[in-house]
Amino acid sequence: GQQVQQSPASLVLQEGENAELQCNFSSTATQLQWFYQSPGGSLVSLLSNPSGTKHTGRLTSTTVTKERRSSLHISSSQTTDSGTYLCALPMNYNQGKLIFGQGTKLSIKP
Amino acid sequence: ETAVFQTPNYHVTQVGNEVSFNCKQTLGHDTMYWYKQDSKKLLKIMFSYNNKQLIVNETVPRRFSPQSSDKAHLNLRIKSVEPEDSAVYLCASSPDRDTGQLYFGEGSKLTVL
Repeated sequence: GQQVQQSPASLVLQEGENAELQCNFSSTATQLQWFYQSPGGSLVSLLSNPSGTKHTGRLTSTTVTKERRSSLHISSSQTTDSGTYLCALPMNYNQGKLIFGQGTKLSIKP
Repeated sequence: ETAVFQTPNYHVTQVGNEVSFNCKQTLGHDTMYWYKQDSKKLLKIMFSYNNKQLIVNETVPRRFSPQSSDKAHLNLRIKSVEPEDSAVYLCASSPDRDTGQLYFGEGSKLTVL
């Protein structure tokens, strides 16, 4: 079945530095999504990017479907960006059944 | 703005007890889900309901049973909890079963002693 691998598992940066998170998946992504989970546990969708490049605020996601990978770039990181970033893809026949990666834990130091 | 509400947010109980988690969404969505997040933070789907009908039932122990009274509510009951049930249970909703845009609740953390 579909598998999702994320790297790195954890990342520690100084405030102001840029963060680069990677997601690799085993079959063609139909609606790859990036989620943010706060230290308190709430999970929110950041953006959906099945292919190409998408921007929202300081976030840029680039998905290369034929290479089965996606990246999430966070520019000028802030301490409030700290948390876990999760990549997820739906099962082909059920868009709501998401397969999640294990996440990248990002820590931004002041 | 929170639109998927879960209660309780925390629950500590003993092995063998029964536990229920409630979830309500105010988005008017047709589809709701329960996901389990284990100690390694890996999220896995447990159940999915579309307009009160069960459409996805992953391989979970029979002591787990979802209950839906209407499309805005999806509860999760666990009969006779086990230590491995300790996890965060996340409820989510989406406009319909074909839309992968999920909105999650804040989670219900279960600790089984």
